[in-house]
Amino acid sequence: ETGVTQSPTHLIKTRGQQVTLRCSSQSGHNTVSWYQQALGQGPQFIFQYYREEENGRGNFPPRFSGLQFPNYSSELNVNALELDDSALYLCASSLGNQPQHFGDGTRLSIL
Amino acid sequence: RKEVEQDPGPFNVPEGATVAFNCTYSNSASQSFFWYRQDCRKEPKLLMSVYSSGNEDGRFTAQLNRASQYISLLIRDSKLSDSATYLCAAWNSGGYQKVTFGTGTKLQVIP
Repeated sequence: ETGVTQSPTHLIKTRGQQVTLRCSSQSGHNTVSWYQQALGQGPQFIFQYYREEENGRGNFPPRFSGLQFPNYSSELNVNALELDDSALYLCASSLGNQPQHFGDGTRLSIL
Repeated sequence: RKEVEQDPGPFNVPEGATVAFNCTYSNSASQSFFWYRQDCRKEPKLLMSVYSSGNEDGRFTAQLNRASQYISLLIRDSKLSDSATYLCAAWNSGGYQKVTFGTGTKLQVIP
């Protein structure tokens, strides 16, 4: 059974740039969720995708967008990067509303 | 008020001690609850789901009290390896889905 994999592991960007983070869900999982985790905080829910459509969203601006592909993998896109976007970005997959399993995360630094 | 609240700790306990964490949630529509463990600079790992009837997994016991809107985690016979941050999560799976994590409770088990 393949777990959740994310790429890249680390990324450095500058303000105003755009970034795409990628996630491959665990085999058998059809739901992908993305989280932002700042240092010392819990993961903050960005959005969730099921059957290639967004079916849940947290309190994040529209410059955070995503996609889910037919193979259930997913992308998180962030436009117009701001310094506060520096964080660990976590992807989690699940089968429906069963417990989520997380990937190792992408550590994004904005200079 | 945060949707999911936890005491950030740290809880410093000696090896062999019993320690309990509580987590309160404000959204009465939350339907599923989980405890995750997160080691420093790592991804959260599912520890256990939480059921109204209570559930136990070895030294770990989780309880859900819907009337008072809190969940708890009890760790018996603490080991050094239990040192980590424990995150509770509430899943509102009705309609537009949303998962909310607490900020986490840090546990340090001392020799």
